Amino acid sequence: GPKVLQIPSHQIIDMGQMVTLNCDPVSNHLYFYWYKQILGQQMEFLVNFYNGKVMEKSKLFKDQFSVERPDGSYFTLKIQPTALEDSAVYFCASSSTGEAPLFGEGTRLSVL
Amino acid sequence: QQQVRQSPQSLTVWEGETAILNCSYENSAFDYFPWYQQFPGEGPALLIAIRSVSDKKEDGRFTIFFNKREKKLSLHITDSQPGDSATYFCAASGQGTGSKLSFGKGAKLTVSP
Repeated sequence: GPKVLQIPSHQIIDMGQMVTLNCDPVSNHLYFYWYKQILGQQMEFLVNFYNGKVMEKSKLFKDQFSVERPDGSYFTLKIQPTALEDSAVYFCASSSTGEAPLFGEGTRLSVL
Repeated sequence: QQQVRQSPQSLTVWEGETAILNCSYENSAFDYFPWYQQFPGEGPALLIAIRSVSDKKEDGRFTIFFNKREKKLSLHITDSQPGDSATYFCAASGQGTGSKLSFGKGAKLTVSP
């Protein structure tokens, strides 16, 4: 079936550096989401999009975070500068209906 | 504020038994409740979902029972199999297409053979 692809699967970075997480959503999906999961705990909402435009950002979406869609296909989540508390698994998800988003396998970010 | 709460945090059942995972919520505006199943190292996968206009949703061995008045729902897994061992997340979203999902902290289910 359709899949949301996330690259890389694991990223190790020094605190203060910039990191870019990439996500390729399902091609005909218009709704897009980023979530953060710490240590296998609950998923925390970061930001969602519809048709390339931001719908809502949570309080977790700090000023150091930014999201882009460079060429109209894949999305990026950029963190600059990174902090220790940014260590988590970041999931992107997409949906055609705005419900039941399909999640990728996540990018595990380790900030040292 | 935790908008979606799950209990128990972990549950162990024998193969063939029924596992019951509970969920409650605070926000009366929530009207869509999906359950996601997550295996270690993977992303969460949609298992089954219910809308607030229904009180029951069944899909094979998985059934959601929903009580709108009490703001509670539960996921019943009948004839549990070792392959059902995973973490189950209850989630909720409000009206409005594309609304964010609020997740519970998850329940780790272990099915012993």
